[in-house]
Amino acid sequence: SQTIHQWPATLVQPVGSPLSLECTVEGTSNPNLYWYRQAAGRGLQLLFYSVGIGQISSEVPQNLSASRPQDRQFILSSKKLLLSDSGFYLCASSQGGSYNEQFFGPGTRLTVL
Amino acid sequence: DQQVKQNSPSLSVQEGRISILNCDYTNSMFDYFLWYKKYPAEGPTFLISISSIKDKNEDGRFTVFLNKSAKHLSLHIVPSQPGDSAVYFCAAHVGWGKFQFGAGTQVVVTP
Repeated sequence: SQTIHQWPATLVQPVGSPLSLECTVEGTSNPNLYWYRQAAGRGLQLLFYSVGIGQISSEVPQNLSASRPQDRQFILSSKKLLLSDSGFYLCASSQGGSYNEQFFGPGTRLTVL
Repeated sequence: DQQVKQNSPSLSVQEGRISILNCDYTNSMFDYFLWYKKYPAEGPTFLISISSIKDKNEDGRFTVFLNKSAKHLSLHIVPSQPGDSAVYFCAAHVGWGKFQFGAGTQVVVTP
């Protein structure tokens, strides 16, 4: 099975500061990679989806961007954080193919003050 | 556009009894569904799945039922245990390896 690493586990950032969250995957190659956000009391919202290096699909318009510089590395970034960017960010991975379940990382709790 | 809905935000059940979690979807083209379990400050973990060619899938204490005509699925946990206290998400495959998740149901198993 796949192992997803995310860091940091928690992060407190001021409004207007930049953001970089990293996700790396072990135990698979050429995975589909995902960034989700879980806002307080809400479900998981898909933010970005990637099927390969340099291939990023944005699911919702927002203040964030994603990059995939290596096969098993996925980075979530922002140039200037907003208060509304606070939430629990989850990276997920699935083996290529549509019907495979996703494996999730431990998540990053981001608080923007 | 939220096409997967879990209308019960919380559920309290006594240890040893059955937990029934419900999930509704709006798109009859959805053909694969998953249930995940999530503890606080952790990522969700996969529990069980079901394809639209089936109406039931069972794995130990967990059974998922699918009613395609009603666009409804449910997760049964029998018997419920204290370690089952968590948030449960249902998810539907929406194409291209992507899933849409419901808002989740918080299950609390009481002694």
